Amino acid sequence: GAVVSQHPSWVICKSGTSVKIECRSLDFQATTMFWYRQFPKKSLMLMATSNEGSKATYEQGVEKDKFLINHASLTLSTLTVTSAHPEDSSFYICSARTGGVSSSPLHFGNGTRLTVT
Amino acid sequence: DQQVKQNSPSLSVQEGRISILNCDYTNSMFDYFLWYKKYPAEGPTFLISISSIKDKNEDGRFTVFLNKSAKHLSLHIVPSQPGDSAVYFCAASGAGSYQLTFGKGTKLSVIP
Repeated sequence: GAVVSQHPSWVICKSGTSVKIECRSLDFQATTMFWYRQFPKKSLMLMATSNEGSKATYEQGVEKDKFLINHASLTLSTLTVTSAHPEDSSFYICSARTGGVSSSPLHFGNGTRLTVT
Repeated sequence: DQQVKQNSPSLSVQEGRISILNCDYTNSMFDYFLWYKKYPAEGPTFLISISSIKDKNEDGRFTVFLNKSAKHLSLHIVPSQPGDSAVYFCAASGAGSYQLTFGKGTKLSVIP
């Protein structure tokens, strides 16, 4: 089946530094990828929709200058958390859809646990 | 306002019995519903889905029921197995949108 690979699976960084998270579709091309963030005891929150070759679409309340998204190819999207702070510590998950219509399931990466000290 | 609600944060079931996880939604534009299973420190895994043109979809031990008039869906797992212990998320999309709206999840514990 479709596989979405996310790297790294966990990262610890110091406050003020930047962290890049990669999301790759391994056996399919994804013109659109999605970045989610999961808060403790809360649902997955969509942060942004990453579009290959164009700017990402951010959800309300998500700082686009802080969470930089680049979707340079049909198989790779990256999320960079810039000037990270402890409140950015969270579980970030990317996903992609194999089909071109809304009625196909999203496939998720295994997530990245970010801890900012 | 939460458009997809999973009102039970947790559920415990004996092995071999039926697990029933419930989900309610408020947006009448939703026309596609999915259940995801998530283990700690892993991404969600797609489990089963149902389109609004159906009221039931079955895949092995997993069956999803959709009641459009009540805006309610449920996931039945029978028989439940210890390996089914995980957090289950209900999700919905609609009107040709790529976006999924997730519930908060229900943590299922299957007791051997």
